[in-house]
Amino acid sequence: QVALVESGGGVVQPGKSLRLSCAASGFNFKNYAMHWVRQAAGRGLEWVAAIYYDGSNAHYADSLTGRFTISRDNSRNTVFLETNSLRAEDTATYYCARDLYRASRGYLDKWGLGTLVTVSS
Amino acid sequence: IVLTQSPDILSLSPGERATLSCRASQSVSGSFLAWYQHKPGQTPRLLISDTSRRATGVPERFSASGSGTDFTLTITRLEPEDFAVYYCQHHGNSPPWTFGQGTKVEVK
Repeated sequence: QVALVESGGGVVQPGKSLRLSCAASGFNFKNYAMHWVRQAAGRGLEWVAAIYYDGSNAHYADSLTGRFTISRDNSRNTVFLETNSLRAEDTATYYCARDLYRASRGYLDKWGLGTLVTVSS
Repeated sequence: IVLTQSPDILSLSPGERATLSCRASQSVSGSFLAWYQHKPGQTPRLLISDTSRRATGVPERFSASGSGTDFTLTITRLEPEDFAVYYCQHHGNSPPWTFGQGTKVEVK
């Protein structure tokens, strides 16, 4: 049974950082690209970042202006999202999702339930 | 690529046919267009990839078509479990993999 479990969300002040984690189980994690997608309350899905199966390449949404970094640890079956210089508009539920392919192609066939990040003073 | 979905809200009764539209700001290469279903409190679910390929386990009442800039998701006869928000998404070799703003299919 494929499972993706996000953690690390919470309430954080503007300008601060958070590190989100996504623990994967039930599949051979090292063979799949992984993504982060977010959803603000009442809004739609917004793709955030993706990383190749081996961590050799990563892609980001243009709107992030270099503030977020995606990484992975295949020995721990975990993908991370380092979020820096957080702004109120980063408040959202952050989902991790599995790509069908090793190289990121945006085919998101399995998703976690998300972790909520609230940026507020 | 910017994806614009219409309508924003579709009010229908169970048993009716639903037709959802997704228009791209430029031609979608390789027909790399997907559809997802998202219900409150649940994970998003991949329904369709590559314009018309149903994902594993997706019922045949879900079908999709399109090319270039215009794509359509059709649900032939709405079941109670089909009321949800549906998103189209550009996928393939070229990031960013943007989503449309979503169409909510609600009970009339």
